[in-house]
Amino acid sequence: AQSVAQPEDQVNVAEGNPLTVKCTYSVSGNPYLFWYVQYPNRGLQFLLKYITGDNLVKGSYGFEAEFNKSQTSFHLKKPSALVSDSALYFCAVKWEYGNKLVFGAGTILRVKS
Amino acid sequence: DGGITQSPKYLFRKEGQNVTLSCEQNLNHDAMYWYRQDPGQGLRLIYYSQIVNDFQKGDIAEGYSVSREKKESFPLTVTSAQKNPTAFYLCASSQGTGYTFGSGTRLTVV
Repeated sequence: AQSVAQPEDQVNVAEGNPLTVKCTYSVSGNPYLFWYVQYPNRGLQFLLKYITGDNLVKGSYGFEAEFNKSQTSFHLKKPSALVSDSALYFCAVKWEYGNKLVFGAGTILRVKS
Repeated sequence: DGGITQSPKYLFRKEGQNVTLSCEQNLNHDAMYWYRQDPGQGLRLIYYSQIVNDFQKGDIAEGYSVSREKKESFPLTVTSAQKNPTAFYLCASSQGTGYTFGSGTRLTVV
């Protein structure tokens, strides 16, 4: 069965500092991994995905994520946080031969000025 | 612009009532999904459909029903059997590895 863990309910970071939001996964076979962001009472906005190829994936708004197969992780990173990055972030995984996306519980990111 | 439209944005249900949430997409995607979002629990899959006239239960299907009579539409009915329906409901569609989400419907029991 597929599963995703986001071990931190909340991450606090100062504006201008680097940020990391952690994600680990469990899936049979090759994983397809995704990061989404959600603002209050809104749908999910796509940030980036890993399907195959380079382990470092670059996405929207300056975010990137590194796929680490040995550690089964896909942490989201940004070199310099903005106050406007404050939101709820979801990691998701699907099995390469299925359609269902399985989500983590989400991590609230708070960036303070 | 292509996308997914969910309506209504806010919905209030009385005890014992059935209500239907609408989800329409013009992306020509084959697969569609319904997720429920509760604080601290992430998104949980209710139902999904990979093709017209076919759908499968997700992880929390009890108290919900769906239909997929048209490719563009995947309505979700929250029945009176769902004892705790207050939540934020998200519809999504996909083709390959591209997923698109609607803006959600917030359902509240009054």
